[in-house]
Amino acid sequence: QVQLQESGPGLVKPSGTLSLTCAVSGGSITQTDWWSWVRQSPGEGLEWIGEVYHSGSTNYNPSLKSRVTISVDNSKNQFSLNLTSVTAADTAVYYCARGPGLTGFDYWGQGTLVTVSS
Amino acid sequence: EIALTQSPGTLSLSPGERATLSCRASQSVSSIYLAWYQQKPGQAPRLLIYGASTRATGIPDRFSGSGSGTDFTLTISSLEPEDFAVYFCQHYGTSPLFGLGTKLEI
Repeated sequence: QVQLQESGPGLVKPSGTLSLTCAVSGGSITQTDWWSWVRQSPGEGLEWIGEVYHSGSTNYNPSLKSRVTISVDNSKNQFSLNLTSVTAADTAVYYCARGPGLTGFDYWGQGTLVTVSS
Repeated sequence: EIALTQSPGTLSLSPGERATLSCRASQSVSSIYLAWYQQKPGQAPRLLIYGASTRATGIPDRFSGSGSGTDFTLTISSLEPEDFAVYFCQHYGTSPLFGLGTKLEI
């Protein structure tokens, strides 16, 4: 059973950088194609941030592309998210997930709330 | 840019009733990349259906998906108490996109 666990600071200052890591267990990150970050603002819907392949290839949501970097560390079986120049609008629960591939996002982390505030 | 519109915004039903949730795309999309998720408060979304009609592993057969082109439907044949939640549709082609959700309440 694949499990994902997000980690990182729960509070980031405006104009700073949000950095999160997703640790994958129960399977190798190299055995599945894409791994993604998704966020959900309080009371709002879900927004896909971007995805990374185990080779390091990435795709990003055009609306966030200028501020997002997603990377993978196969040796640690984890992948990471960096979001720069954050504002209050970036306050959200951030999820890591396996996929989408051909079967959607089939495994999710529990999510971590990141608040942008001074 | 594709947009997904879910209706109704809120659906009030009782256990044992049938629920029909709609997801409409602003332009025709491939059904291969259409998914449905269930989300309960404080939890991550749970994949129910992918490829418009294929149930994910462990999903009860009271959940079914159908549709093609611009109109997709999630049907719950007989509601169980644990089914009351928010449901999202998603198109996961290039740049995955979610609908805003339907809240299914008692």
